[in-house]
Amino acid sequence: AQSVTQPDIHITVSEGASLELRCNYSYGATPYLFWYVQSPGQGLQLLLKYFSGDTLVQGIKGFEAEFKRSQSSFNLRKPSVHWSDAAEYFCAVGSNDYKLSFGAGTTVTVRA
Amino acid sequence: DAGITQSPRHKVTETGTPVTLRCHQTENHRYMYWYRQDPGHGLRLIHYSYGVKDTDKGEVSDGYSVSRSKTEDFLLTLESATSSQTSVYFCATRGEISEKLFFGSGTQLSVL
Repeated sequence: AQSVTQPDIHITVSEGASLELRCNYSYGATPYLFWYVQSPGQGLQLLLKYFSGDTLVQGIKGFEAEFKRSQSSFNLRKPSVHWSDAAEYFCAVGSNDYKLSFGAGTTVTVRA
Repeated sequence: DAGITQSPRHKVTETGTPVTLRCHQTENHRYMYWYRQDPGHGLRLIHYSYGVKDTDKGEVSDGYSVSRSKTEDFLLTLESATSSQTSVYFCATRGEISEKLFFGSGTQLSVL
């Protein structure tokens, strides 16, 4: 069975500081990995995805994520956070049928 | 983004009553999904559809049924609502060759 763990429920970061959100997955084969962002009262928006190839993937809004097979991780990073990055972030894993399993989410608060 | 409309946006109902949530899309996407979102659990797949009249169960399908009589509509029915089904329900769609899920804005359902 596939599953995702996001160890951090809530992270507070200062505007301009770097951000890293952790994601660990469990999957029997080569996974399809995703990061989604959800603003309050909204649906989810895809930030980036990894299927194969280069293990460092770039996404929208200046986010990037690195796939590390040996650690079963797919951590999300941003070098300099903006106030508009305050949201909830979800890591997800799936296969080519795209029945995704989502983590419980990490809420990011940005302080001025 | 895909035109996905969920209705109603908010609903309050009583235990034991039937409830139907509607997802309508205008993108002619083949795949449609129903997820529920609960604190601490992220999003969990209820049912999904891979074409008209073709549906299958997700990880939390008990107490739910779905129907898809035409491409653009995917209905989620709670035959007899229970308080444990109080949640935010999201519909998502995906095109034939795309890996990207497009999410609706969600339906907040409260079962009293």
